Amino acid sequence: DTAVSQTPKYLVTQMGNDKSIKCEQNLGHDTMYWYKQDSKKFLKIMFSYNNKELIINETVPNRFSPKSPDKAHLNLHINSLELGDSAVYFCASSLPGLALSGANVLTFGAGSRLTVL
Amino acid sequence: QKEVEQDPGPLSVPEGAIVSLNCTYSNSAFQYFMWYRQYSRKGPELLMYTYSSGNKEDGRFTAQVDKSSKYISLFIRDSQPSDSATYLCAPKTSGYALNFGKGTSLLVTP
Repeated sequence: DTAVSQTPKYLVTQMGNDKSIKCEQNLGHDTMYWYKQDSKKFLKIMFSYNNKELIINETVPNRFSPKSPDKAHLNLHINSLELGDSAVYFCASSLPGLALSGANVLTFGAGSRLTVL
Repeated sequence: QKEVEQDPGPLSVPEGAIVSLNCTYSNSAFQYFMWYRQYSRKGPELLMYTYSSGNKEDGRFTAQVDKSSKYISLFIRDSQPSDSATYLCAPKTSGYALNFGKGTSLLVTP
């Protein structure tokens, strides 16, 4: 039973299209994240939600819009896809108490590999 | 200067070798120092973490932090082919965000 599951795992699309990636966690965590890992393996935070409230919103083009319908789900919608959006997008979750006051143990999904042609 | 610097490697060692992986950082406010391991085509997973300066040992793995020089190390003893992965250091202040290094790719050859 996968703790953090992302769909789809692979996504190949044309420039200019709009696409979504879905994430669900069954760990009972309150905090969820989207990270982007580029071709050089650099893992960079994009967004974070705590119990459906946006708490981290890094400098990301506004073509990227996260949405959290409930604390177990965090989706990522990308409009007008560009070549530079090609990357692996990771969803993660954690317990907020530890995140704030201690070591932040993130549980990651397996990633969604987006290729923009 | 990036907040977290890590040599991307790749680092190739024979099975049984002692491996040393390192990071430097610039933010003096970092208090928690975490190491994540990422196998190919998988998400990162927490390996271990330390608080403030000092050492922490877990089996074949030892994490070491020197806050005075802003230097983080992960040592792997008796390395195994199954240790082949990318290792990401992730220091943290209070708050939600983790600041990952670029990761060091390690290959342990039989």
